[in-house]
Amino acid sequence: GQNIDQPTEMTATEGAIVQINCTYQTSGFNGLFWYQQHAGEAPTFLSYNVLDGLEEKGRFSSFLSRSKGYSYLLLKELQMKDSASYLCAAKSRGSQGNLIFGKGTKLSVKP
Amino acid sequence: NAGVMQNPRHLVRRRGQEARLRCSPMKGHSHVYWYRQLPEEGLKFMVYLQKENIIDESGMPKERFSAEFPKEGPSILRIQQVVRGDSAAYFCASSPDRGSPLHFGNGTRLTVT
Repeated sequence: GQNIDQPTEMTATEGAIVQINCTYQTSGFNGLFWYQQHAGEAPTFLSYNVLDGLEEKGRFSSFLSRSKGYSYLLLKELQMKDSASYLCAAKSRGSQGNLIFGKGTKLSVKP
Repeated sequence: NAGVMQNPRHLVRRRGQEARLRCSPMKGHSHVYWYRQLPEEGLKFMVYLQKENIIDESGMPKERFSAEFPKEGPSILRIQQVVRGDSAAYFCASSPDRGSPLHFGNGTRLTVT
């Protein structure tokens, strides 16, 4: 079967760093995506990892360990506008291109 | 470059009516995906289409739901004889090929009364 797990909610303080974890179980794993979704809006693409290691993109970084079935999204210098849901999604070779999404982690940034 | 366009943004239907949701992919994108999102739930894959072809419909309910992506015009997700359980946000996404990230539209929020 295919399964994506991530925490339901997290709270952090403006200016701080937060790490959102994601574990996955997919057959024929072929990449891990992170999306940001503000309430009532479209998910927007943040990052994509297919090889082990850290990908850095400004204040956001994403890490992947294929052997552990584990990824995290790291957000630095948190801003109030970062309050949103963060969706972890995995692609498998047999999925014809579609993504399997976790339920999302709702991040609340407090002043 | 316009993003993925979905309409209507909100749709209210009575039980038993039909709902038609439209999606125009980003320019240059020929791959279209439909997802459904229930409150407090993740995005659930429904169907993946390329122009005039259904590639994967493994997430579509067997009855009442259908999708198409004609040679000309938007992709259409059609729900016949809607029931209250169909109330959800329906998101369309597109990509230029199978390997690229999906770009999502703002969704259609369907409410069945």
